[in-house]
Amino acid sequence: NAGVTQTPKFRVLKTGQSMTLLCAQDMNHEYMYWYRQDPGMGLRLIHYSVGEGTTAKGEVPDGYNVSRLKKQNFLLGLESAAPSQTSVYFCASSLRQGFKNSPLHFGNGTRLTVT
Amino acid sequence: ELKVEQNPLFLSMQEGKNYTIYCNYSTTSDRLYWYRQDPGKSLESLFVLLSNGAVKQEGRLMASLDTKARLSTLHITAAVHDLSATYFCAVDITQGGSEKLVFGKGTKLTVNP
Repeated sequence: NAGVTQTPKFRVLKTGQSMTLLCAQDMNHEYMYWYRQDPGMGLRLIHYSVGEGTTAKGEVPDGYNVSRLKKQNFLLGLESAAPSQTSVYFCASSLRQGFKNSPLHFGNGTRLTVT
Repeated sequence: ELKVEQNPLFLSMQEGKNYTIYCNYSTTSDRLYWYRQDPGKSLESLFVLLSNGAVKQEGRLMASLDTKARLSTLHITAAVHDLSATYFCAVDITQGGSEKLVFGKGTKLTVNP
């Protein structure tokens, strides 16, 4: 069982470059999320999606865009990377009912460094 | 705005001892989750607490939820080294018609021999 798969696992960008992080889940989950984790800050929600074709802003959406063209995939884009976006990014998914009946299932994370 | 506060943020304890991690939150919710994260790894679900008075136990860990006090506890009994990890609580809220999960900053637990 693959669960939630994130690619790439590591990436180094220069300021101003762009990139896309891919999240894929094979559990037929409706809800998908992107979090960032920074030391001492816990996890903060960037964007999320409650179904194919829908996206919504989370706690810290600025500088990021997302797309959910297929139910199993949730893409996170950085159009012009900044050093403040150096972080570990986690994708997660959950069942149709949202959180009520199941916890989030997390990917293994992407470590992004912006120089 | 929902605030989720964990304490302590750092905990160093000896094997065999007991201790409790606290998770306070600032708005009404009756759904709370505990996760574990090992260094450099992803988050693993430990407990799902869905109502006031809920208590869940798994091995040396026991979690409880008091929605009236807006407090959850994670109790560690007779700690062993394998429990060393960072523990997060997360509170489920509904905002703008959508559900969101807000995490605490985490408690880094180190169990020493």
